[in-house]
Amino acid sequence: KQEVTQIPAALSVPEGENLVLNCSFTDSAIYNLQWFRQDPGKGLTSLLLIQSSQREQTSGRLNASLDKSSGRSTLYIAASQPGDSATYLCAVKGNNAGNMLTFGGGTRLMVKP
Amino acid sequence: EPEVTQTPSHQVTQMGQEVILRCVPISNHLYFYWYRQILGQKVEFLVSFYNNEISEKSEIFDDQFSVERPDGSNFTLKIRSTKLEDSAMYFCASTGLATNTGELFFGEGSRLTVL
Repeated sequence: KQEVTQIPAALSVPEGENLVLNCSFTDSAIYNLQWFRQDPGKGLTSLLLIQSSQREQTSGRLNASLDKSSGRSTLYIAASQPGDSATYLCAVKGNNAGNMLTFGGGTRLMVKP
Repeated sequence: EPEVTQTPSHQVTQMGQEVILRCVPISNHLYFYWYRQILGQKVEFLVSFYNNEISEKSEIFDDQFSVERPDGSNFTLKIRSTKLEDSAMYFCASTGLATNTGELFFGEGSRLTVL
């Protein structure tokens, strides 16, 4: 059974810092990995999708990498801003798990002005 | 930009009552999902739906739950007799065959409070 873990659970940084959020998964037979942003009490906004054959994806100040063999992904946020404050979730879709996503517990990010 | 819409945004109900949560997936999408998130816990898969039938369901999705696509646009989740532990945020999601990426798009969620 796939398990997804995100470290750290919470992170507080001053504005302008570059930061890295980590996601690890136990079963490397994945179809893709998706990073989401969740604001308090709100839905999930898709940030980046990495297919199993890809190493990284970039969107603006965000860069996500994937190392399938070691079961890890990182989300790099450059020049963080207070508006980046949110919970960041990673989720994997397994090759043999049908269409379901397995989610990590999230990293709660606070960027202080 | 197309989006998944969910109603109601918040529903309060008494234990034992039936609840229907509604979703309008993105119009050209073919796969539909329900997930839930109990406060402070991980987002959990409930059920996936394709070609007018359930394609996969989790252990959580027992006989108290059902899904339906009553017309060409709506996708509903029914909880027959709600329990206190059904209190959670319920998310609908969809994905399209045409994109072939498997990227899931989620709605804003329906918060269910069972008293």
